[in-house]
Amino acid sequence: AQTVTQSQPEMSVQEAETVTLSCTYDTSESNYYLFWYKQPPSRQMILVIRQEAYKQQNATENRFSVNFQKAAKSFSLKISDSQLGDTAMYFCAFSGGTSYGKLTFGQGTILTVHP
Amino acid sequence: DTAVSQTPKYLVTQMGNDKSIKCEQNLGHDTMYWYKQDSKKFLKIMFSYNNKELIINETVPNRFSPKSPDKAHLNLHINSLELGDSAVYFCASSQRQGHGELFFGEGSRLTVL
Repeated sequence: AQTVTQSQPEMSVQEAETVTLSCTYDTSESNYYLFWYKQPPSRQMILVIRQEAYKQQNATENRFSVNFQKAAKSFSLKISDSQLGDTAMYFCAFSGGTSYGKLTFGQGTILTVHP
Repeated sequence: DTAVSQTPKYLVTQMGNDKSIKCEQNLGHDTMYWYKQDSKKFLKIMFSYNNKELIINETVPNRFSPKSPDKAHLNLHINSLELGDSAVYFCASSQRQGHGELFFGEGSRLTVL
């Protein structure tokens, strides 16, 4: 079974600075997807960024980028120029192999952006 | 238009009651899901349907019964509610099974007293 681990329960950052959230996963599959979802206080789950395992290039979406290390099974999220609206819980998630068709989530990291 | 909509958003009920949560998606997706988020914010899949067919049924008590009348709808019925059922239930959809990205509804917060 696949597992996803987020080792940072809480993180904080000053507005305009950069923060990195960690995620590691365990799988024996070679083809899979990895995601970062954001859950603000409104409760809505919002996709931040996705990465296909077969792509070597790290995904980027505006201020959000990932550092995907397939051999190390690591998938960290970097948020540049942090904004107050980035305050949320961030979930790392895995989809692939026998879990194809469902997401396996990490425990989440609460990110607080301070003015 | 909301892509994935759930009703009700909030539900407060007594132990032992039966309740339902409805979900509809207008994205034309083939696959729909129910996830449960517990008090520690942990998200875990409960069920998945692909084109009205049940494809994932995690270890969930029999008191939970999903129903998909068509591929745009996936409802969740819960019998004999227990205190431990209190959680936020998320409906989600994806373009096809295994395609990756899930689109979530806003969640339905269920409180059992």
